[in-house]
Amino acid sequence: GENVEQHPSTLSVQEGDSAVIKCTYSDSASNYFPWYKQELGKGPQLIIDIRSNVGEKKDQRIAVTLNKTAKHFSLHITETQPEDSAVYFCAASPNYGGSQGNLIFGKGTKLSVKP
Amino acid sequence: GAVVSQHPSRVICKSGTSVKIECRSLDFQATTMFWYRQFPKQSLMLMATSNEGSKATYEQGVEKDKFLINHASLTLSTLTVTSAHPEDSSFYICSARSRQGANTEAFFGQGTRLTVV
Repeated sequence: GENVEQHPSTLSVQEGDSAVIKCTYSDSASNYFPWYKQELGKGPQLIIDIRSNVGEKKDQRIAVTLNKTAKHFSLHITETQPEDSAVYFCAASPNYGGSQGNLIFGKGTKLSVKP
Repeated sequence: GAVVSQHPSRVICKSGTSVKIECRSLDFQATTMFWYRQFPKQSLMLMATSNEGSKATYEQGVEKDKFLINHASLTLSTLTVTSAHPEDSSFYICSARSRQGANTEAFFGQGTRLTVV
């Protein structure tokens, strides 16, 4: 089955700097890669996603890149702000759009943005 | 984006009792709902996949008789933790994917913090 590795587990940056979180996956059949932000005591919120037919996607300060050959994808946050502090999870889905479509999550990265 | 409502957000129950958690998709029809369990400072672990009108599919190691899942309609799935014990204390989260269309992203509920005393 699919296995998703996420690094680093913790990341501390100064406000205004960029943050990069990397994930690798094992199942070449995976074709959907979402990123979630989870604040303490809350459910995960989808912040950006990418499909296997796209190499890069950007939404304001957030971007995701995908390298299918190497089976890794990354989250990039530019101009970080204190409110970006949270736990970020990457995930992979081998059956996007199908009847199952369960997500396999990485272990999470705790991002701290210092003012 | 789509909204998934999970209720209750917090529940404390006595050991041996049962607790029901509801997950509703408010503005879309969810063919499939997923139930996850999350321990402190850990990732989400899939417990079961719930398809409307059929039996849930449980992940290895998850007791189906203990964690009863019902998905009776396209907008509601319930998870019942039966005969709860302190080790069942955890954060339970549901997610839902829409019935059709290209935008079948998974949207998550707010989570339920279960404490068994």
